[in-house]
Amino acid sequence: EVQVVESGGGLVQPGGSLRLSCVSSRLTLNNYYVNWVRQAPGKGLEWVGRTKNKEVGYTTENAASVKGRFAVSRDESKNSVFLQMNSLKTEDTAVYYCAIEGSSSGPDFIYWGQGSLVTVSS
Amino acid sequence: QSVLTQPPSASATPGQRVTISCSGGSSNIGSNYVHWYQQFPGTAPKLLIHSNNQRPSGVPDRFSGSKSGTSVSLAISGLRSDDEADYYCAVWDDSLSGPVFGGGTKLTVL
Repeated sequence: EVQVVESGGGLVQPGGSLRLSCVSSRLTLNNYYVNWVRQAPGKGLEWVGRTKNKEVGYTTENAASVKGRFAVSRDESKNSVFLQMNSLKTEDTAVYYCAIEGSSSGPDFIYWGQGSLVTVSS
Repeated sequence: QSVLTQPPSASATPGQRVTISCSGGSSNIGSNYVHWYQQFPGTAPKLLIHSNNQRPSGVPDRFSGSKSGTSVSLAISGLRSDDEADYYCAVWDDSLSGPVFGGGTKLTVL
């Protein structure tokens, strides 16, 4: 069974930083587009950003709501993807999911992690 | 305010058929594949329908998707109590250069 696991969430003060990690034991993440999707408490899903696969040079893209504050990156040697979150705001409080695209032609996220809770509060 | 519009709630009794709509525009649904997700409380979403009307392996054929112009629908037939969940549509938006989700529909099985 494919497992995707996020880590690194927690409580942080407004203006602070946090880095989330996403790993998989059975998937070679380098071959996939890896996305971050968040869900604020009691709210719907919101795309945060993604890194494309090795074939297209690991290009990254971010949602307008986090551009300039959040950055997606990879460590190829560790089969890991990261979400660096800076200048955090209270409205960034959410469960952050790592989601793997199936076809690289749209948000068909075939694998999801269990989610990592980020709470931004003073 | 979501780019994609879904009804916030839907309900039906066991055994019935229910449809959930999702409407968008020319830059998203009108020009790209739409996908549907099912989410139970406290768990990650699960891909239910991809590419407008394709079911991933393991998804029962009670679930089906359709598309017409800038709107799509998810249909669930032979409704069961364990279908009670939140359902989201998702699609790439060419204007926003990123994926967008509908606001979600909470399905209640009466």
